[in-house]
Amino acid sequence: QVVLTQSPSASASLGASVKLTCTLSSGHSSYAIAWHQQQPEKGPRYLMNLNSDGSHSKGDGIPDRFSGSSSGAERYLTISSLQSEDEGDYYCQTWGTGIVLFGGGTKLTVL
Amino acid sequence: EVQLVESGGGLVQPGGSLKLSCAASGFTFSGSAMHWVRQASGKGLEWVGRIRSKANNYATVDAASVKGRFTISRDDSKNTAYLQMNSLKTEDTAVYYCTRENFDYWGQGTLVTVSS
Repeated sequence: QVVLTQSPSASASLGASVKLTCTLSSGHSSYAIAWHQQQPEKGPRYLMNLNSDGSHSKGDGIPDRFSGSSSGAERYLTISSLQSEDEGDYYCQTWGTGIVLFGGGTKLTVL
Repeated sequence: EVQLVESGGGLVQPGGSLKLSCAASGFTFSGSAMHWVRQASGKGLEWVGRIRSKANNYATVDAASVKGRFTISRDDSKNTAYLQMNSLKTEDTAVYYCTRENFDYWGQGTLVTVSS
């Protein structure tokens, strides 16, 4: 079964860029994923679907500051021009054999 | 505008039951699979299960952690999905979210607390 691995934490300064990584387990490098954002004390919010070729489709109202890319088994979420409201948890998610899986999440701190 | 509104959460004793509802609007509910996802306090997201549309025979699948205890159903005439939770355990304490087929819209969640 596919497993998604995320670093527990990341930080970057206000106005800077940050690149978050979601790694697919061995043998699953062709899988598409989705990225979700969860601001403190709020429910998750869909950011985008991201394919293995790097093509992605963003959710309604997601700013251009958010973009996705792929390389092998790695799926990336890049946030540019960081704002304070970008602070929160970011989860990747994919579809396994009949089930859905989430990565452990990355807690992003905006300095 | 797509909206998903969960309700039915509350405090229940271990071994008890609770039924959550997810009222949907703003899209063709009957054509969409629906998922339930939960999140324990301070923890990550955990997929609970999903129900497919009538065209896919309302097929359901559940996570191993809730199999045999939780049941997902839907009423397309009411644009509502349900999560029936039986034999509840303290580790089922979490905020429960519903989300539609591609996880592109989420509800605000409803808190379930299992405690004596």
